Amino acid sequence: EAGVVQSPRYKIIEKKQPVAFWCNPISGHNTLYWYRQNLGQGPELLIRYENEEAVDDSQLPKDRFSAERLKGVDSTLKIQPAELGDSAVYLCASSLEPNEKLFFGSGTQLSVL
Amino acid sequence: GIQVEQSPPDLILQEGANSTLRCNFSDSVNNLQWFHQNPWGQLINLFYIPSGTKQNGRLSATTVATERYSLLYISSSQTTDSGVYFCAVLYSHGGATNKLIFGTGTLLAVQP
Repeated sequence: EAGVVQSPRYKIIEKKQPVAFWCNPISGHNTLYWYRQNLGQGPELLIRYENEEAVDDSQLPKDRFSAERLKGVDSTLKIQPAELGDSAVYLCASSLEPNEKLFFGSGTQLSVL
Repeated sequence: GIQVEQSPPDLILQEGANSTLRCNFSDSVNNLQWFHQNPWGQLINLFYIPSGTKQNGRLSATTVATERYSLLYISSSQTTDSGVYFCAVLYSHGGATNKLIFGTGTLLAVQP
């Protein structure tokens, strides 16, 4: 069974440019998470979806970040425009039910120059 | 908010040695998970352990929720155990949505 799939693996952009990340969760997992991990720190939740509904987006910087999970399966996270401080690893995770055992994708390492 | 502290912050072991990693949290939690992040950045879920003891091969974990700590035991360590170990606790405060909060991490290096 395939795990959580993310793309791209790496992304380098200049500041003020837009960027998008894609995630396909484990089949059957209703809950999908986007996390951001800064160097030397643990992941921090950006947004959590239960099916198509964003049930916790309190940590998502809504002025420049947006996310969607159409049809309750795969999801995209977008940043527009990117800032230097957005450089980090963006991780997607999924679980069968909310806050049960989490499975992470390999992440997208974003560098904003 | 809740504080999730892990100790030690760094650990160097010789292959074959045993170790214990600790996770302390400052408030009541609903569940706890342990993760291993390998040197390539992949996070692997080791245990989902809100309470009690679980074992998986050379690894075992114990959570004592009433005393607000969890322990991860690694026996007969191997070089492939190297990486960062995170505990993460499910926490809600004041009726807010449950949120998984990650600890500060323990960086483990196993030398051959």
